[in-house]
Amino acid sequence: SQKIEQNSEALNIQEGKTATLTCNYTNYSPAYLQWYRQDPGRGPVFLLLIRENEKEKRKERLKVTFDTTLKQSLFHITASQPADSATYLCALYSGGGADGLTFGKGTHLIIQP
Amino acid sequence: DAGITQSPRHKVTETGTPVTLRCHQTENHRYMYWYRQDPGHGLRLIHYSYGVKDTDKGEVSDGYSVSRSKTEDFLLTLESATSSQTSVYFCAISEYEGAAYEQYFGPGTRLTVT
Repeated sequence: SQKIEQNSEALNIQEGKTATLTCNYTNYSPAYLQWYRQDPGRGPVFLLLIRENEKEKRKERLKVTFDTTLKQSLFHITASQPADSATYLCALYSGGGADGLTFGKGTHLIIQP
Repeated sequence: DAGITQSPRHKVTETGTPVTLRCHQTENHRYMYWYRQDPGHGLRLIHYSYGVKDTDKGEVSDGYSVSRSKTEDFLLTLESATSSQTSVYFCAISEYEGAAYEQYFGPGTRLTVT
């Protein structure tokens, strides 16, 4: 069956360092991969989308890579700040219609001042 | 924030009672989705809509029904609530065809079934 895996343990990073989050998937051939941020008690907020023919996408301090051979996406936050502390969700869409996204369980990121 | 509201924001109900959750958008987006979020499972798709009166099932649709009579409103109904339906429910919208484009989420409804 299709599966998306994100590190379920919290990730603690010192302020100013680069945080790297991992999303692995199996039994998918996704055409697109998305990353969302979710704060406690709130809905997810879209951050970045990367297509299968793109290797890397950047937005300000955020960078996403997409390796379809390894079946993995890495999400990087450079110069991390305490305000970046949140849960980050990886989501996949296999294409072919108006189906919803399939989400990973998310990684809780904590940036220590 | 995208113009998405959900009502109610919190609800406690008893097992066996019907419950309707409402999602309202002011963005005129064609696609609307209902997800539930539970610890250990993440977000899971319940139902989605690709237009007025056009809906389809998602991954966890058993025990739920939906209706969309207007572009702006997408209703999720639990015909007879069960404790396993205690969850946080999120509505999402998308402008372009399919989920290949970003989705915008509402603030969520926390439902407790006792």
